[in-house]
Amino acid sequence: GAGVSQTPSNKVTEKGKYVELRCDPISGHTALYWYRQSLGQGPEFLIYFQGTGAADDSGLPNDRFFAVRPEGSVSTLKIQRTERGDSAVYLCASSLLGAGGPDEQFFGPGTRLTVL
Amino acid sequence: TQLLEQSPQFLSIQEGENLTVYCNSSSVFSSLQWYRQEPGEGPVLLVTVVTGGEVKKLKRLTFQFGDARKDSSLHITAAQPGDTGLYLCAGEGAGGTSYGKLTFGQGTILTVHP
Repeated sequence: GAGVSQTPSNKVTEKGKYVELRCDPISGHTALYWYRQSLGQGPEFLIYFQGTGAADDSGLPNDRFFAVRPEGSVSTLKIQRTERGDSAVYLCASSLLGAGGPDEQFFGPGTRLTVL
Repeated sequence: TQLLEQSPQFLSIQEGENLTVYCNSSSVFSSLQWYRQEPGEGPVLLVTVVTGGEVKKLKRLTFQFGDARKDSSLHITAAQPGDTGLYLCAGEGAGGTSYGKLTFGQGTILTVHP
């Protein structure tokens, strides 16, 4: 049984460039979450999908960040005009239901983004 | 603003010692979860506590949820080098927010020396 996978594992880019980070959730999980973890900190919530729709995007820091999940499975986090402050590990998680009560989230290994 | 305050941030102890990690908040959570994270990996769920006053045990680990559902603690008995890692508490459903959105503490880096 495959877990949550994320690609790439590492991404180095230059300030001002556009990046896409991909998340493949566990098959059959309807809910998908994106978090950002800076060095020495706990993960910070970005956005949560229930199926294809964003159920809560209150954690996206600004309009440079956007995420999609067009078919209710794979999700892509897109960051435009990257800034050095965007450097962090971006974690994706999925869960079976995502609503109505505590539901275990399974995390991927993350994508380490470095903006030079 | 950090909704969940976790302490201590760093803990370095000898094998066989006991330790407690605390997670405190001014917000009420519907549930609180404890995770462990290894370098280069995502967090892995250890336990979820839901009821105020609830105590759960997982081998040498004891988790407690405060009566008011605002705080929690993780106690490890007779720590072993294999317990080394980053321990995170996370609250769900704070202040009526939706399930799914986890609010994490800043984490406790535990090092157990042989």
